[in-house]
Amino acid sequence: QVQLVQSGAEVKKPGASVKVSCKASGYTFTSNGITWVRQAPGQGLEWMGWISANNGNTDYGQKFQGRVTMTTDTSTTTAYMELRSLTFDDTAVYYCARIRAAIWGLDVWGQGTTVTVSS
Amino acid sequence: DIQMTQSPSSLSASVGDRVTITCQASQDISNYLNWYQEKPGKAPKLLIYDASNLERGVPSRFSGSGYGTDFTFTISSLQPEDIATYFCQQYEDLPLTFGPGTKVGIK
Repeated sequence: QVQLVQSGAEVKKPGASVKVSCKASGYTFTSNGITWVRQAPGQGLEWMGWISANNGNTDYGQKFQGRVTMTTDTSTTTAYMELRSLTFDDTAVYYCARIRAAIWGLDVWGQGTTVTVSS
Repeated sequence: DIQMTQSPSSLSASVGDRVTITCQASQDISNYLNWYQEKPGKAPKLLIYDASNLERGVPSRFSGSGYGTDFTFTISSLQPEDIATYFCQQYEDLPLTFGPGTKVGIK
């Protein structure tokens, strides 16, 4: 079945970086984009950006410009999101999701990766 | 950025009740709106796309309507398994933005 499986929970210190992986299976990886969304405790969903798995083109949310890098590895059908210079405000659950083209519907989601920034 | 608001922020209803949630965009987004269901500890699930189209496999008691800036999501007959948070998402423009969510509970 179509699924996205994310890497496990991370605990990082302020100023560190985190890299979350998102392994896709059950569909042609290069046919869809992957987006990353986060949800801080008690907050709503926040869009971070997206990457085309076909050509690697990216578009990042302005808030994350210069601090985030999204990549894909088509040989392993895995997407990655790296966030640098972490602060306490980056504590959140990070989701990857498959984008259904034309409707920008996020139709398959990973299980979420909890990133905790703590000193 | 396009701001999305929802009301109410939470509600409680009885099993079998009709439940309605509204979502408003800060500017015209045509029908570029999706609805999701999120249960505790689970990833969100796409229910409605393009404001009114039911995702495959989603029960027909869920429906959506609206155009422009005002949208409605309806559960025609609330079931115990519908306890969740529901939120809207616009895709008229990047960044994608989401409503804050409506938490639906059982009375």
